[in-house]
Order: sequence, then structure tokens, then C-alpha cells
Amino acid sequence: AQSVAQPEDQVNVAEGNPLTVKCTYSVSGNPYLFWYVQYPNRGLQFLLKYITGDNLVKGSYGFEAEFNKSQTSFHLKKPSALVSDSALYFCAVRATRMDSSYKLIFGSGTRLLVRP
Amino acid sequence: DAGVIQSPRHEVTEMGQEVTLRCKPISGHNSLFWYRQTMMRGLELLIYFNNNVPIDDSGMPEDRFSAKMPNASFSTLKIQPSEPRDSAVYFCASRAPGQHTGELFFGEGSRLTVL
Repeated sequence: AQSVAQPEDQVNVAEGNPLTVKCTYSVSGNPYLFWYVQYPNRGLQFLLKYITGDNLVKGSYGFEAEFNKSQTSFHLKKPSALVSDSALYFCAVRATRMDSSYKLIFGSGTRLLVRP
Repeated sequence: DAGVIQSPRHEVTEMGQEVTLRCKPISGHNSLFWYRQTMMRGLELLIYFNNNVPIDDSGMPEDRFSAKMPNASFSTLKIQPSEPRDSAVYFCASRAPGQHTGELFFGEGSRLTVL
């Protein structure tokens, strides 16, 4: 069964510092991996995805994520955090094998708090 | 494009009442998903439609929940009778055709409170 884990409920970082939000996954075959962000009282917004190719994926708002197959991880990163980045971040995974579920499975979410 | 439109944004009802949540996907999208978000269980996929046909409803909690998609531009999620444990934010999301690797576009959600 496919699953995704976000080990940190909350990440605190000072504005201007680099940030990392962690995600590990378990899936049969090669994964499709996604990051979404949710601002208060809003729906989820797509940030970036990894399907194939370069392990470093660049997305919206200066975010990037690194796919590491050996560690089954897909950590979200940003070189310099902004207060406006404070939000709830979700990692999601989908299997690529046709006999696996098409479902997009979301992690439990990590709250990012950027202090001024 | 207006994005995925959900209504109502907020619903407060009493236990036992029928609740209907509505969703209009992005025009041209042919996949539609209903998710439920709670603090305890996070984001759960309830049901998935492709070309208006329910593909997988294994996430629907129980028979009190039903979902329909009568046409490409409208879907409903109905709870009858509602219970306090159904209180959650319900999200609808859609995806473009031929984009099985593509991202989902979420609506703003319908916050349901069952008293």
C-alpha cells in the first residue's frame, strides 16, 4: 500500500533563513510526488511535482524539492523563507504502476511558521 | 477561469438533517474528487469520478454518504442523516483530461458543522 509520512507537525524558521519540510514515501514502483500548500480557510494549492527526470524540482513561490530514491524522500526546500510562507504544507504520492491505486495519498501536513 | 467552485462555504445543521454540498469543476476538466479534511484524520479521499462516472467510492464512510455527478459541470455530495462526527471541511478538486500525472485544482472547501 502506498503511504506518505511528514514526520514534523510544525517547522519554525526565521525569515531569511533556509527552510526544509520533510516528506518520505512508500509506494509500489516509481512514484509521482507532489507538494501542496494550504493557507488558512483556503483550499490546497499546487506547488510542484516530480514525475521523472531531474531530482531537483523547482516550483511556485521559490520553492524546490529534491527527490531521493534511495532514501524514499521528497523534501521541500526554500533558500530564504518569507513570513508569507507561513502555511500548512502537504506532501502527496501516487503510484505509477497500473496495478496500483491511482489515488493521490496525502501526508498529515506540516505547519510552517516563519517568524519575522 | 473561475477555478473550482464549491457551495455552501459554511453549513451549520442539526444532527439528523440532510446536507448537500455542491461542486462545479473547472471547465474542461474530466476528473473530479471529493476529499474530507479533519484534524484527526487529515485529508481523506471520499470518491473519485472520471468522465462523470464514479470510479472508486471506497473512501465513502458509510451508506449515509452519497455522491453524484449528473454532468461534467456539477457534482453533489449528500449526507443523510448527518451526525456530529461528519463535521469537517469537504473539498472538491478537479483535474484536466489526460493528466493522470497532473495536479489537482482544489475548491475553497465547504465547512460543515453538525450540532
